[in-house]
Amino acid sequence: EAQVTQNPRYLITVTGKKLTVTCSQNMNHEYMSWYRQDPGLGLRQIYYSMNVEVTDKGDVPEGYKVSRKEKRNFPLILESPSPNQTSLYFCASSLFGAPEKLFFGSGTQLSVL
Amino acid sequence: SQELEQSPQSLIVQEGKNLTINCTSSKTLYGLYWYKQKYGEGLIFLMMLQKGGEEKSHEKITAKLDEKKQQSSLHITASQPSHAGIYLCGADGGFQKLVFGTGTRLLVSP
Repeated sequence: EAQVTQNPRYLITVTGKKLTVTCSQNMNHEYMSWYRQDPGLGLRQIYYSMNVEVTDKGDVPEGYKVSRKEKRNFPLILESPSPNQTSLYFCASSLFGAPEKLFFGSGTQLSVL
Repeated sequence: SQELEQSPQSLIVQEGKNLTINCTSSKTLYGLYWYKQKYGEGLIFLMMLQKGGEEKSHEKITAKLDEKKQQSSLHITASQPSHAGIYLCGADGGFQKLVFGTGTRLLVSP
C-alpha cells in the first residue's frame, strides 16, 4: 500500500532532550516536506527536500534540522526542543514537487514540557 | 505571499443537509487543492482545480473554482457522519510549498 509513515504517533518529552521524528515513503517520490499544524495558525512548512542530499528551509525552520540521505526517508530532528515546538507535525511527499498532490503521513503529536 | 481565508471556521449540520465551505485567495489561483483531515490525523487529498469555472465531483462532494480564479467552494450534498472532519484548501505558495487555509471544522449531527 502506498503510504507515508511517521513515527512516533505521540511523543512527550522535556526541554532540551534531542529527539527525531522519522518519516518514510514507499512511492519513490522525489519531494518530501515537513509541516507543523497549530491552532489558529494552520499548517506551516518547516523544511522540504527536492531529492537526496537536497534540502531547503520552509517558513518556520528555526530549531529544526532535516536530512535526506536516502530517497525514502526524511527525518525531522529537534536538537534542543522547547515548549514552543509543541505541535502536530506532518510529513508529506509528492512525485516531483509542490504544489502537486501531496500525500501526508498520519501525524506526530509532540508535547515539550 | 499567498493567503487563503476559509469560511465558515466551523459548521454543525444535521445529517442529510447540504453545506458549502468557501476558500478565498488574496491572489489569482493557479491550482487549488482541497484536503480533508480527520481530527488529529493526516490530510487526505480530495480534489484539485486549475481552470477558471472548473467543477469536479467525487461521490457527494463537489468543488468549484470561480472564473476569476480567486475563490473556490466545496459543496457537500446530503451530509453524513463520515463527512465530519476539517476541510482545508491549499494553493501554490511558491518556493516548493503548498499554503493552506486555517480550515473549516465540520460536525454532522445524527
